[in-house]
Amino acid sequence: DAGVIQSPRHEVTEMGQEVTLRCKPISGHNSLFWYRQTMMRGLELLIYFNNNVPIDDSGMPEDRFSAKMPNASFSTLKIQPSEPRDSAVYFCASSLRTSGNREQFFGPGTRLTVL
Amino acid sequence: KQEVTQIPAALSVPEGENLVLNCSFTDSAIYNLQWFRQDPGKGLTSLLLIQSSQREQTSGRLNASLDKSSGRSTLYIAASQPGDSATYLCAVRGSQGNLIFGKGTKLSVKP
Repeated sequence: DAGVIQSPRHEVTEMGQEVTLRCKPISGHNSLFWYRQTMMRGLELLIYFNNNVPIDDSGMPEDRFSAKMPNASFSTLKIQPSEPRDSAVYFCASSLRTSGNREQFFGPGTRLTVL
Repeated sequence: KQEVTQIPAALSVPEGENLVLNCSFTDSAIYNLQWFRQDPGKGLTSLLLIQSSQREQTSGRLNASLDKSSGRSTLYIAASQPGDSATYLCAVRGSQGNLIFGKGTKLSVKP
């Protein structure tokens, strides 16, 4: 099992540019979560999907952030335009919603730096 | 609104010591609680998951307990080793499915 796969692992971009982060959940999992980690705020949920449908996007900070899940094996988190305060590590996690414990498994994260 | 607090924020112990990390949460209506380990610059590794109906879970030298009524969980690490050095995160899952994390305890085990 390859686990949750995220790309890129590191992204450095300039303010105003569009950034797209990608995630491939564990095969068979039907819930997908996007989190952001910063020193100040720790780990926070941005949005999550059940069966490819967004359920709760209340954590998305602004309209500059958008997330899609076109199929069960792929999701994107897009920031347009990016700002320096978006610099953080972005994690994707997946779980099997119908399992008894719904344990979440995390990807390695994407470290985003916006200059 | 659920809030998760971890104390202490940092802990340094000599190798071989048994230690306890603490986690508290404000809303006892949780579905489960997960303990994670995070190494510098790395992702999160799930260590233990305790369902709301359970009192504890064990894996090797790790034991996690849950007291839902008092809003507390502890992670006990026996015979600590330098390889245990990492940040340990506690997270509770509410009814909506998302995890709410504490800020973590940064553990350093000195040889």
